[in-house]
Amino acid sequence: SQTIHQWPATLVQPVGSPLSLECTVEGTSNPNLYWYRQAAGRGLQLLFYSVGIGQISSEVPQNLSASRPQDRQFILSSKKLLLSDSGFYLCAWNRGIGMNTEAFFGQGTRLTVV
Amino acid sequence: GESVGLHLPTLSVQEGDNSIINCAYSNSASDYFIWYKQESGKGPQFIIDIRSNMDKRQGQRVTVLLNKTVKHLSLQIAATQPGDSAVYFCAAGGTGGFKTIFGAGTRLFVKA
Repeated sequence: SQTIHQWPATLVQPVGSPLSLECTVEGTSNPNLYWYRQAAGRGLQLLFYSVGIGQISSEVPQNLSASRPQDRQFILSSKKLLLSDSGFYLCAWNRGIGMNTEAFFGQGTRLTVV
Repeated sequence: GESVGLHLPTLSVQEGDNSIINCAYSNSASDYFIWYKQESGKGPQFIIDIRSNMDKRQGQRVTVLLNKTVKHLSLQIAATQPGDSAVYFCAAGGTGGFKTIFGAGTRLFVKA
């Protein structure tokens, strides 16, 4: 069966510090991978998606970047965090052409920038 | 821009009653719709989906209804249980793209 791992679960980082959130998927190959951010009381905002190794698409301009060094590994990074980067970050995967099949989400990372 | 909204931010129902959560979407080209359930501190979990060639789809205790004319979908939960307490998101997407628009969510409270 497929599983998705996302860590850490919670993170408190000072403004200006770097960020690295990791997501790995097991039990499937060549998945579509996604990073979402969820603000309190709001829906999920798509940040990045990837259809293959080294292929990253960004949906919104921001202080973050993403990389996919391996087929089932997706990393969300920042060189210098801003207060506005605080939020709940979710990694997800699905198969198919685009987001037209069910997606499976990780447990999320609650990031607080102080 | 595109949007997906939910009519009520919170919904409170008595245990055993049926729950209906509504959602409106703006993009008439959307052809795939999903409902997710998110428990506190966890990632969303898939509940049920429906494609635009259908008006209704049933799962275990859940039914999704799609009205493309008015761009509205609803999630019906039969015999609501305390374990159904969560935030429910609708999402509209498809069309071969990757950008699924998620609504803000409706928090369902189940009273014992």
